[in-house]
Amino acid sequence: DIQMTQSPSSVSASVGDRVTITCRASQGISNWLAWYQQKPGKAPKLLIYAASSLQSGVPSRFSGSGSGTDFTLTITSLQPEDFATYYCQQANSFPLTFGGGTKVESK
Amino acid sequence: EVQLVESGGGLVQPGGSLRLSCAASRFTFSSYWMHWVRQAPGKGLVWVSRINSDGSSTSYADSVKGRFTISRDNAKNTLYLQMNSLRAEDTAVYYCARVGIKGFCGVGSCLRFDYWGQGTLVTVSS
Repeated sequence: DIQMTQSPSSVSASVGDRVTITCRASQGISNWLAWYQQKPGKAPKLLIYAASSLQSGVPSRFSGSGSGTDFTLTITSLQPEDFATYYCQQANSFPLTFGGGTKVESK
Repeated sequence: EVQLVESGGGLVQPGGSLRLSCAASRFTFSSYWMHWVRQAPGKGLVWVSRINSDGSSTSYADSVKGRFTISRDNAKNTLYLQMNSLRAEDTAVYYCARVGIKGFCGVGSCLRFDYWGQGTLVTVSS
């Protein structure tokens, strides 16, 4: 199975900050990576797919980059509604696997 | 807008069974591969199972293989997860999720989940 390791596990930030979350795959996954946002008690929401493609309707302050084993999700100017937990997911092979999550908290 | 609504969760004793349903609407259900993903309380997301568009091909996580069965009824626009021999570690919110494109979606960028249900809680406890 491909292991997905996210870092940090949590980050404290303020509105307007730039936030960067990394995700590392235990083996190369090309650009088959998606990012999700999840708020408490809610289902995950797709933000980014194919490592850098922005899902329709997602604000442009979210961006993704990377290929192979190392990936990044960046929020360029954190908004109040962005405080949430973020997960990466590899789409290279089954079983599909998710990272452990990164909680973005208010500083 | 696309809608996925899960039902069937609840409290069940270890060794028991439960069948989850996911009612789909506002899209051509029969054209999409579908998945189940679960999340234990306070934990991360774990992929459980997937089924192709006509129900002829399925796959499972090792942790549920032989105990869970995914199926679908395209005439009823409904996805199912039959869960047998339930264990305490199966306790989780179960989400159904749609893949990102119509048609074949075996691997690659289509394996993103663009719509999710609200989830249904399964609690396995005596």
